[in-house]
Amino acid sequence: EIVLTQSPATLSLSPGDRATLSCRASQPISDYLAWYQQRPGQAPRLLIFDASKRATGIPARFSGSGSGTDFTLSISSLEPEDFAVYYCQHRFNWPPFNFGQGTKVEIK
Amino acid sequence: DVQLVESGGDLVQPGGSLRLSCAASGFTFSDYAMHWARQAPGKGLEYVSTINSKGDSTYYAESVQGRFTVSRDNSKNTLYLHMVSLRGDDTAVYFCARNRGGRSYDFNDYWGQGTLVIVSS
Repeated sequence: EIVLTQSPATLSLSPGDRATLSCRASQPISDYLAWYQQRPGQAPRLLIFDASKRATGIPARFSGSGSGTDFTLSISSLEPEDFAVYYCQHRFNWPPFNFGQGTKVEIK
Repeated sequence: DVQLVESGGDLVQPGGSLRLSCAASGFTFSDYAMHWARQAPGKGLEYVSTINSKGDSTYYAESVQGRFTVSRDNSKNTLYLHMVSLRGDDTAVYFCARNRGGRSYDFNDYWGQGTLVIVSS
């Protein structure tokens, strides 16, 4: 079973800052990685799929990169609504498609 | 618009059982695999289960294998999760989600708002 490890657990930044979140897979997963955003009290929202492709309606300030075992989600300039928890998930081979433990982006 | 609405969450005693439902609309339900995920209070997301578009292939997290059963009724556009032998660590909000890739297993592109299951005596 593939384990995804996200870092850091918490990122304290100010609006306008650049955010860089990391997700590491326990074995190579090609580019089969997604990122989700979850705001308090809401369902998760798909941001990025297949490592670097933005989902429908996702602003260009969100970008994803990586392949193999190391992946990054970048937010170029944080907007107030971007302070949330972010999860990665893989879809390598067959389910279970596990999630990472999450990174909280909080206001500094 | 794609819509997923979960229901069936409740307070149940340890060892009890429950069936969750997820009513789908706004897309051709029978063309899509579907997923369940859950989130314990204050915790992260946890993968639970996947079912293919026809309903004849299913997958489960190790933590629920043998206790949970996913199924679907394509004539009713509804996804189900039947849970037995419930434990305290099954307490969570349960989300259903549509598979982005249609019949090919993929990520979750649309999510319901979730239904809360509390396992407690």
